[in-house]
Amino acid sequence: KQEVTQIPAALSVPEGENLVLNCSFTDSAIYNLQWFRQDPGKGLTSLLLIQSSQREQTSGRLNASLDKSSGRSTLYIAASQPGDSATYLCAVRSSGSARQLTFGSGTQLTVLP
Amino acid sequence: EAQVTQNPRYLITVTGKKLTVTCSQNMNHEYMSWYRQDPGLGLRQIYYSMNVEVTDKGDVPEGYKVSRKEKRNFPLILESPSPNQTSLYFCASSYGTGGAEQYFGPGTRLTVT
Repeated sequence: KQEVTQIPAALSVPEGENLVLNCSFTDSAIYNLQWFRQDPGKGLTSLLLIQSSQREQTSGRLNASLDKSSGRSTLYIAASQPGDSATYLCAVRSSGSARQLTFGSGTQLTVLP
Repeated sequence: EAQVTQNPRYLITVTGKKLTVTCSQNMNHEYMSWYRQDPGLGLRQIYYSMNVEVTDKGDVPEGYKVSRKEKRNFPLILESPSPNQTSLYFCASSYGTGGAEQYFGPGTRLTVT
């Protein structure tokens, strides 16, 4: 059964810093991996989707990488801003059960002004 | 505007009183699913549907029912709610069954007393 882990659980950085959020998964046979952002009391907003054949995806100040063989993904946020404060979740869709999405528990990011 | 809507957004009910949470998407997505989010447990899939009249259990289906009579709607039914079903519920949809980006609704906060 796929397990997804996100470290650290919480992170606090000053505004302007570049930062990396980590996601690891136990079964490397994945279909794709998706990063989400969740604001307090709100739904999930999709940030980036990486297919299993891709190594990275970029959107603005965000860059997500995928290393299937090692079971790892990172989300890089450049020049962080207070508006980036939120919980970031990664979710893995496994090849063997492509209908199901397994989520990590998230990293709560606080960017201090 | 492309979106997934859920109703109600907030619901307080008593044990045993049947309730339905509606989910609707306007993107003509084949795939729809329900998740619950609990502190310390993250997001867990309840049920999913790959198309009209096709539904299947996720990781935590006990105590829930779903139906998919129309492509756009995927209601979640709690026949006899219990306090352990107090949670934040999310509906999601996507094209196809595995390779596409997931879009989430705003969430329904359910309290069962």
